[in-house]
Amino acid sequence: NAGVTQTPKFQVLKTGQSMTLQCAQDMNHEYMSWYRQDPGMGLRLIHYSVGAGITDQGEVPNGYNVSRSTTEDFPLRLLSAAPSQTSVYFCASSPDRTSGNTIYFGEGSWLTVV
Amino acid sequence: AQRVTQPEKLLSVFKGAPVELKCNYSYSGSPELFWYVQYSRQRLQLLLRHISRESIKGFTADLNKGETSFHLKKPFAQEEDSAMYYCALRDTGNQFYFGTGTSLTVIP
Repeated sequence: NAGVTQTPKFQVLKTGQSMTLQCAQDMNHEYMSWYRQDPGMGLRLIHYSVGAGITDQGEVPNGYNVSRSTTEDFPLRLLSAAPSQTSVYFCASSPDRTSGNTIYFGEGSWLTVV
Repeated sequence: AQRVTQPEKLLSVFKGAPVELKCNYSYSGSPELFWYVQYSRQRLQLLLRHISRESIKGFTADLNKGETSFHLKKPFAQEEDSAMYYCALRDTGNQFYFGTGTSLTVIP
């Protein structure tokens, strides 16, 4: 009963480094998304995907790339890390609205850029 | 445009007192409204949804379409209710929008 799995849980990066946050879900959900959570800002959508091969930008996409080669995986790439990207990142997935189910979150990835 | 507004960033109540976390939304279609809770350093988890009309952990929320509100209420707050609460809206395109969250502290 894994649900949404994110790795790593904690990461420290130097400015300019690149890295990938991994996200996988085993619920066969079509919709996956990445959020960042910052104090006083709530959850802000970075990128999302409505299915394999389809991605789109959210509210704060700059500095991040995503891909969706399979239904299960939705990695988030930081191309050149900046201190402003220090945040907690949450991956989420949800089925189609008609299923009656809601959105499920991973445990979060705490990223610090120094 | 901000679809979900939570006007209170911080809210403190005494144990046993009633608590109300406010949420207003802006959406012309038929939204689904949710409340999510995040306990310290844990993932967000669903607390309740308007279509279920249920009470979870003593919390209830009624969708008021006239006032476009979905306030979360509990008659007697408990210390374990201290957490961050997010109101969320799902539009007809399956897109979720979250408010900025309200951090609730229940004082013993």
